Amino acid sequence: EVVLTQSPGTLSLSPGERATLSCRASQSVRSSYLAWYQQQPGQAPRLLIYGASSRATGIPDRFSGSGSGTDFTLTISRLEPEDFAVYHCQQYGMSPVLTFGGGTKVEIK
Amino acid sequence: QVQLQESGPGLVKPPETLSLTCTVSGGSVSSGGYYWNWIRQSPGKGLEWIGYISHSGSTNYNPSLKSRVTMSVDTSKNQFSLKLSPVTAADTAVYYCARMTSSWFDSWGQGTLVTVSS
Repeated sequence: EVVLTQSPGTLSLSPGERATLSCRASQSVRSSYLAWYQQQPGQAPRLLIYGASSRATGIPDRFSGSGSGTDFTLTISRLEPEDFAVYHCQQYGMSPVLTFGGGTKVEIK
Repeated sequence: QVQLQESGPGLVKPPETLSLTCTVSGGSVSSGGYYWNWIRQSPGKGLEWIGYISHSGSTNYNPSLKSRVTMSVDTSKNQFSLKLSPVTAADTAVYYCARMTSSWFDSWGQGTLVTVSS
């Protein structure tokens, strides 16, 4: 099973700051099969990034994804108030086919 | 724009069967290139993929749940369904249905909380 480990568990930052979120896989993941989601309290996750680095429709360009192999990163260049949320990474392809990371909460400092 | 909506009982007694339906609007479950998924999130926890079904009825389940899961699709009603049996308190969670394209989820339902308790 591919285990995705997200770090840090919680990131405390101020609006306007840069956020760097990590997603590390226990085995190599094909870049095309790595995605990131944003989840606001009480809401369903929303697709941000697919294929490790492609922004989904309507996602602002302050969100960017990078990485390959076992190390992937989501960067938010300048935090807006609506960006404080939980972020999940997800991989597809290795048994059991699809797994999510444990999530990183970005909170207001 | 496709929309998904979960429906089903909010309370299930152990060791009965959890049954949920996802109704798709603005799109068709018969469309090729998509897989129709169930994902759950236990209170305060991360996301757990349960499995998917294609328009043709082929399925792929999370091995950790495979022995208890059955998914089906009803193209005439534009719906797909989840059955999980038998349930325990550990199955208490918000259950989401979601559409997968290629390898990511591009559309999600709002989620429905299912509590397992006697």
